[in-house]
Amino acid sequence: DAGVIQSPRHEVTEMGQEVTLRCKPISGHDYLFWYRQTMMRGLELLIYFNNNVPIDDSGMPEDRFSAKMPNASFSTLKIQPSEPRDSAVYFCASTQRSGSFGSEQFFGPGTRLTVL
Amino acid sequence: EDQVTQSPEALRLQEGESSSLNCSYTVSGLRGLFWYRQDPGKGPEFLFTLYSAGEEKEKERLKATLTKKESFLHITAPKPEDSATYLCAVQTYGGSQGNLIFGKGTKLSVKP
Repeated sequence: DAGVIQSPRHEVTEMGQEVTLRCKPISGHDYLFWYRQTMMRGLELLIYFNNNVPIDDSGMPEDRFSAKMPNASFSTLKIQPSEPRDSAVYFCASTQRSGSFGSEQFFGPGTRLTVL
Repeated sequence: EDQVTQSPEALRLQEGESSSLNCSYTVSGLRGLFWYRQDPGKGPEFLFTLYSAGEEKEKERLKATLTKKESFLHITAPKPEDSATYLCAVQTYGGSQGNLIFGKGTKLSVKP
């Protein structure tokens, strides 16, 4: 298996522009997570899905952020409009079965977002 | 509020110099404690899960231990390839199923 795939790997955009990050989880995994990592705050969970349904989006910072999972093999995280404080590395992760007790999360390589 | 604190923030070792990384946690009810390794420019990679106080797990030069308040990642005779950021995360009974709360990590540098 190719692992979790994210695109693009790097994104540089200007404030106010729309940004879309993409993720393909590992086949057969029923949980998908979106994280954001910064030096100041570390790795923070934004939202996660179970069987394509959003379960907890309490980590989404503002209404400017939205996430979708139209099918089991694809998810997007959208920021509109983007702001310089959104600059961070965004990771997607997936896991199988209940995604709960002791299950390992597999992380993608991340998307480094820079908003100028 | 559930919290995870890792120390030190950074650690420099000489090759072969053993040491320990600390992860202290304050949670409502611990379901599991996870250790991940993160190399520069990459996503975190799973190392261990610990479930209860007194449990230990080993992998090559790494050994993770767990008490009711903290976990240690012991590194025995480290090599330069062990250089990475080590992240600790907890999963709680109070949190959403599957939710991990991460510490900020310890950046380990091992010099030859």
